[in-house]
Amino acid sequence: GENVEQHPSTLSVQEGDSAVIKCTYSDSASNYFPWYKQELGKGPQLIIDIRSNVGEKKDQRIAVTLNKTAKHFSLHITETQPEDSAVYFCAASIRVSSASKIIFGSGTRLSIRP
Amino acid sequence: DSGVTQTPKHLITATGQRVTLRCSPRSGDLSVYWYQQSLDQGLQFLIQYYNGEERAKGNILERFSAQQFPDLHSELNLSSLELGDSALYFCASSAIAGGHNEQFFGPGTRLTVL
Repeated sequence: GENVEQHPSTLSVQEGDSAVIKCTYSDSASNYFPWYKQELGKGPQLIIDIRSNVGEKKDQRIAVTLNKTAKHFSLHITETQPEDSAVYFCAASIRVSSASKIIFGSGTRLSIRP
Repeated sequence: DSGVTQTPKHLITATGQRVTLRCSPRSGDLSVYWYQQSLDQGLQFLIQYYNGEERAKGNILERFSAQQFPDLHSELNLSSLELGDSALYFCASSAIAGGHNEQFFGPGTRLTVL
């Protein structure tokens, strides 16, 4: 069945340093990979996404890379700031007929040390 | 603010009871998704509706059911509640059902079963 594994489960980095979160997926039919950020007491919010015909995408301090052959994708946050502290979820979306089903990873709790 | 509203914000009930969670999608969004997030767990996809019709199903228990009404709001019904059903329940909406598009999450309903 479909599965998305995410590592690490917790990550603590010094403010200004980079953070990397990695995910692997099992279903080779997956073709859309969103990343969500969940702050305390709130619902998840999309921060960046990548489609399977693209290897890398960047948005200011955030970048995502995709390796379809190895079935893994990563989130890179550079020059981390205190407001980056949150739980981050990767996900893989599979198109089923005219709908899409999203499978989420188990989440990474990122803490930025001042 | 994502534009997705969920009520109630908190719900405390006893085992064996039945509850209804309500979600109003963003204006113009036709698709509604329900997710369950247990403590320190990822997001488990439960079910998706598009314009009133069930479109995709995830790991939804038979004790749970959902529907989407003509005004596009959705309700998730949880019956014969067990202690393990205690979790955050999120609703998300998107503009369309097909393809891969951003899902906007509501603030969630925290269900506590005693």
